[in-house]
Parts: sequence; C-alpha cells; structure tokens
Amino acid sequence: EADIYQTPRYLVIGTGKKITLECSQTMGHDKMYWYQQDPGMELHLIHYSYGVNSTEKGDLSSESTVSRIRTEHFPLTLESARPSHTSQYLCASSESGVGEQFFGPGTRLTVL
Amino acid sequence: GESVGLHLPTLSVQEGDNSIINCAYSNSASDYFIWYKQESGKGPQFIIDIRSNMDKRQGQRVTVLLNKTVKHLSLQIAATQPGDSAVYFCAENSGGSNYKLTFGKGTLLTVNP
Repeated sequence: EADIYQTPRYLVIGTGKKITLECSQTMGHDKMYWYQQDPGMELHLIHYSYGVNSTEKGDLSSESTVSRIRTEHFPLTLESARPSHTSQYLCASSESGVGEQFFGPGTRLTVL
Repeated sequence: GESVGLHLPTLSVQEGDNSIINCAYSNSASDYFIWYKQESGKGPQFIIDIRSNMDKRQGQRVTVLLNKTVKHLSLQIAATQPGDSAVYFCAENSGGSNYKLTFGKGTLLTVNP
C-alpha cells in the first residue's frame, strides 16, 4: 500500500473561505501531482511538481495554488472557495522516470 | 490534441466470467500506458502497466494488450470476482521528459454474483 496521505478526507465549507488541502508522502518521491475529479468522471491534472521549489500548472485550469517547500509535502490552497470548486481532489506521487503514480485517498470538498 | 477514451462506459458481467475493458488513445508518441482501478470513495489503485516496446503483459488474473497500429489498449480480467467491481481508467504518458499521465473516461465494471 502506498504511503501517501491526504487530509482532510471530507470538507464542507462556506463560500469565500480560504482552505488548504494537505498531501504528504513518505516514499521520497520527487514528483507529485494534484488531480480534480468530479463523480463518475476522469481525472484532470491541475498542478504538478518535479521537485522542491518546482511547481507547474496542469492541463485543467484551476484557481488553486500549490507549493513545494519540502519533498514530502505538496499542499493545495484555495484563497476564496466557491461552489464551482466542489469536487474530489486527488494527490499522487511518483519516482524518477516514467511510471506508476501512487494515489492518496482523496479529499472530497463541498462548498456551500 | 492528446486524448484517451474508452469504448464502453459500463460493463456488467457474471461472476467467474472474463472481462474485457477497452481504451483508445490518439497520441502515437505515447510510450507508456497504465490501468487503474478506483473503488467508490477511494483513490485510484495501480493494476498493471505496459511500455510501448511490448504488446502484451500479464499479471495476476489481469492481462494488458497494446495494439500500436490502431492505438488501442485493453485490460482483460480473468474469472471476474465481485471484488473487481469498480471504475477502471486507462492512462497514457506522451513520452520524452514529460512525466504526466493523461487519463481516459472510466468504465464502470459491475460483477453480478
């Protein structure tokens, strides 16, 4: 089982609140990713990082931001949550080279 | 542009039957493919992967077939069990120094006892 953790698992908040979704991995992976997934739909890459102090926007435009100050930690922040941000957010990590991405359990976000 | 898609959005099989889930991709430069299983409320779980220099790879009860000529990928599950019920996604990597995966639309597999 992959050692990648996400907190919180579920979050219900009001519009306009600032939130941070946490993602940590203990595998020492350089590469980390954030995906957004609506129910029954495919995963869309919103952010990725290939190492400390490296972050890039993914294929799907997102109002969220990320940081990578430590190898094991890749938090995602929404400055002002809106109902359109309601979705599941999945974090993943991978070793060097092209290969399997290990996924966390996800955070299901609901913005009222 | 790059796209990965599945032929069937849902598949219902009887327990003990073999299941085949198909996936089409459009980027001929893709050189790595992977199948994930996602159960309700969980993150995707790795099943099997294959690189473009192979056309078949087998795991425990699963086989992935890659046909580069028609850009088609399939996942075969032998002796399907109720625990196999989940959404299955294929994903591709377009090669080079790009380590990102592009995911297709999932197929919901339902196994009837």
